[in-house]
Amino acid sequence: DSGVTQTPKHLITATGQRVTLRCSPRSGDLSVYWYQQSLDQGLQFLIQYYNGEERAKGNILERFSAQQFPDLHSELNLSSLELGDSALYFCASSVGNSPYEQYFGPGTRLTVT
Amino acid sequence: AQKVTQAQTEISVVEKEDVTLDCVYETRDTTYYLFWYKQPPSGELVFLIRRNSFDEQNEISGRYSWNFQKSTSSFNFTITASQVVDSAVYFCALIYPAREYGNKLVFGAGTILRVKS
Repeated sequence: DSGVTQTPKHLITATGQRVTLRCSPRSGDLSVYWYQQSLDQGLQFLIQYYNGEERAKGNILERFSAQQFPDLHSELNLSSLELGDSALYFCASSVGNSPYEQYFGPGTRLTVT
Repeated sequence: AQKVTQAQTEISVVEKEDVTLDCVYETRDTTYYLFWYKQPPSGELVFLIRRNSFDEQNEISGRYSWNFQKSTSSFNFTITASQVVDSAVYFCALIYPAREYGNKLVFGAGTILRVKS
């Protein structure tokens, strides 16, 4: 158990809908990262937050947004969902804003039908 | 550009065999960090090792060992006396800590390891 929690574990929704994925980092970790894992794209970085502020962005779609709250938990919002958004979404956390090891949550499997 | 290549898509071995997973990376700077992660069938990503570019010492942890060679831009992972529980997808990853990249992990495509009893 990495100490990173993600909810829900599974999510099935229809095209055009909006969903919110939630992540709680390990106790004491200030950085939160979101990654998407799909068969065609592999593991791709979406976005990083450090202590409530956006730190870096990857190839995150405009339909996707995220935030990190004062209690350090983070949410990833996916809207106008398309079939191609079906993937495993991971949250990870690390101690600070340095290249320390990132500990991953169990992931949220999103299926868009 | 940062890139990680894991040329071996899938490897099958019989239990107790040694197996080496290859990782070749590309990065333009002298400061970078390399990682290995394991993804068992249950799906979670498990951190195995982190190595910075200034530390070329090889590392051994139980049946696991890592060979870092800057001259060939490789960071290979060897499992000695493999076991069925080692069956998983293994990812090599790189962080190149530039401001515009944050601390994003750049992953290779992964190598599927199947250990048969």
